[in-house]
Amino acid sequence: AQSVTQPDIHITVSEGASLELRCNYSYGATPYLFWYVQSPGQGLQLLLKYFSGDTLVQGIKGFEAEFKRSQSSFNLRKPSVHWSDAAEYFCANNNAGNMLTFGGGTRLMVKP
Amino acid sequence: DTGVSQNPRHKITKRGQNVTFRCDPISEHNRLYWYRQTLGQGPEFLTYFQNEAQLEKSRLLSDRFSAERPKGSFSTLEIQRTEQGDSAMYLCASSIGTAAETQYFGPGTRLLVL
Repeated sequence: AQSVTQPDIHITVSEGASLELRCNYSYGATPYLFWYVQSPGQGLQLLLKYFSGDTLVQGIKGFEAEFKRSQSSFNLRKPSVHWSDAAEYFCANNNAGNMLTFGGGTRLMVKP
Repeated sequence: DTGVSQNPRHKITKRGQNVTFRCDPISEHNRLYWYRQTLGQGPEFLTYFQNEAQLEKSRLLSDRFSAERPKGSFSTLEIQRTEQGDSAMYLCASSIGTAAETQYFGPGTRLLVL
């Protein structure tokens, strides 16, 4: 069965610092990969997605992610974090064709 | 589009009661999904519909859970004889057609079973 792993449960960064959130997936075929963000009490908002083509994808709010097949990774990055980026971030895989399989999430805290 | 809407946003119920949640997808989306999210975890897939057909329901947590989408528009998720372990956020999402399309999520219904 496919799985998605987010190794970091919590990350704290200073405002203005760079950010990288890790995501590893396990599945043989080319996956459909997503990053979502969830603010407290809210639903999930799509940040970006990868289906094929260029392995570096740009998303909303200045986020980007890079698909690395050799490492089975799809890490999320942002060059300069803003206080409003504090939220929970979920990586997900739709390789099965119908359902999203989510990682456990990474909670981002931003220090002033 | 007006986005995916869910009602109610919050529900408190006593153990043993039945609850029903409603999801209204984005109007042109023919796929509708239900997920459950417990505290500190990522969402967990429950079931999905393509139009009015329920194409996957093996992931529903028990036979107390059921979902319908009678006219291919809105959907309901019912939990019978609720248990404290059913306390969670129930999320609905919708998408257009193919499996690769983005799923757009609603704000969720938070259920607390006392």
